Amino acid sequence: GAVVSQHPSRVICKSGTSVKIECRSLDFQATTMFWYRQFPKQSLMLMATSNEGSKATYEQGVEKDKFLINHASLTLSTLTVTSAHPEDSSFYICSAAERGRQAAFFGQGTRLTVV
Amino acid sequence: RKEVEQDPGPFNVPEGATVAFNCTYSNSASQSFFWYRQDCRKEPKLLMSVYSSGNEDGRFTAQLNRASQYISLLIRDSKLSDSATYLCVVSRMNRDDKIIFGKGTRLHILP
Repeated sequence: GAVVSQHPSRVICKSGTSVKIECRSLDFQATTMFWYRQFPKQSLMLMATSNEGSKATYEQGVEKDKFLINHASLTLSTLTVTSAHPEDSSFYICSAAERGRQAAFFGQGTRLTVV
Repeated sequence: RKEVEQDPGPFNVPEGATVAFNCTYSNSASQSFFWYRQDCRKEPKLLMSVYSSGNEDGRFTAQLNRASQYISLLIRDSKLSDSATYLCVVSRMNRDDKIIFGKGTRLHILP
């Protein structure tokens, strides 16, 4: 149990375009989802936390108009990187947690390259 | 002060040795504790839960000291495949929907 599926695993896009990343909990209800970014050889950086049906809470320094998060159902959250730039190239990872279960489970991550 | 603090390492340890990592947390309202493992260019994966009574899973032993707000992970008879980054995690899902990850400790097992 506790499977989280993230799609796509890898994407290359042109500068200025938008990219949507999906995160699905397959066998539990994700009351909370977390979105992270990780640059090479660096630690995970929490970007935002979203609760189902509510607006996401963004960490300081993360632009909410650039990184649009939607968590409309208990099994799906999406992160849209709008007007992507080369500096947005990174490894984006989601994790999902269910109230009552304290652990979070991660998607496989999305490697975004903006050219 | 960060809410969860770990020594970033790297720890360079010969194969077969025992290695221990520590982690401290600052919020006494934290409810549950975990160790995750992250391999290079992969997502973190849950390694084990941490309890005050201790938790052992094969070569791995985790321990929680609530009074000192301190978590440990011990790896015995280390294998080359144990090389990874180990993340200390503190959860307050039932309180304020927060799960806080430490920055991780890098472990390199040397042949």
